[in-house]
Amino acid sequence: DAKTTQPPSMDCAEGRAANLPCNHSTISGNEYVYWYRQIHSQGPQYIIHGLKNNETNEMASLIITEDRKSSTLILPHATLRDTAVYYCIVLTNAGNNRKLIWGLGTSLAVNP
Amino acid sequence: GAGVSQSPSNKVTEKGKDVELRCDPISGHTALYWYRQRLGQGLEFLIYFQGNSAPDKSGLPSDRFSAERTGESVSTLTIQRTQQEDSAVYLCASSLIPGDYYEQYFGPGTRLTVT
Repeated sequence: DAKTTQPPSMDCAEGRAANLPCNHSTISGNEYVYWYRQIHSQGPQYIIHGLKNNETNEMASLIITEDRKSSTLILPHATLRDTAVYYCIVLTNAGNNRKLIWGLGTSLAVNP
Repeated sequence: GAGVSQSPSNKVTEKGKDVELRCDPISGHTALYWYRQRLGQGLEFLIYFQGNSAPDKSGLPSDRFSAERTGESVSTLTIQRTQQEDSAVYLCASSLIPGDYYEQYFGPGTRLTVT
């Protein structure tokens, strides 16, 4: 079962910041939050991940609340190429087992 | 360098036939994953390889599904006696697993259609 909750769809104007929320209220202390995106007809692409501190890279920023029960992915200046399904995922690590449990994601439409 | 590749890109098969799907991971990546994605759905984990062994087969939907990996490289996902419900995009990913975190690099997928 997916351990994250995301809105099914969002719209954003080109050039504006896109803020994608994710709820992961059952996250445990050693679980990371990962974000991937999937552009139509392509395989998913890694964006960013974090444990408890906010993270930033060339693609996006990740803001994690202090209680770690939710996070927000920020695309600071969305472009039309950012139109994709964005998946927020919690890393499950049980012994040597490592797998990502995927939900349905948020379909982001960036409009001109 | 080369990314993850999968073949074939598309496969149409008749119900009841067996199919083999191939994944070539990024060279040096020790972990390999198979996922299934039905139309309009999220990814469904199938199986995970660490080297050539599969410590987690919990996602395989039935005993018609099997997978193997050789030489810590190529992996093959086999579906026997295919059913229409097997129609989906099958995605393969690999990762290096540095420390306690990792990134998965995905291939373009194989679109399987069972008629």
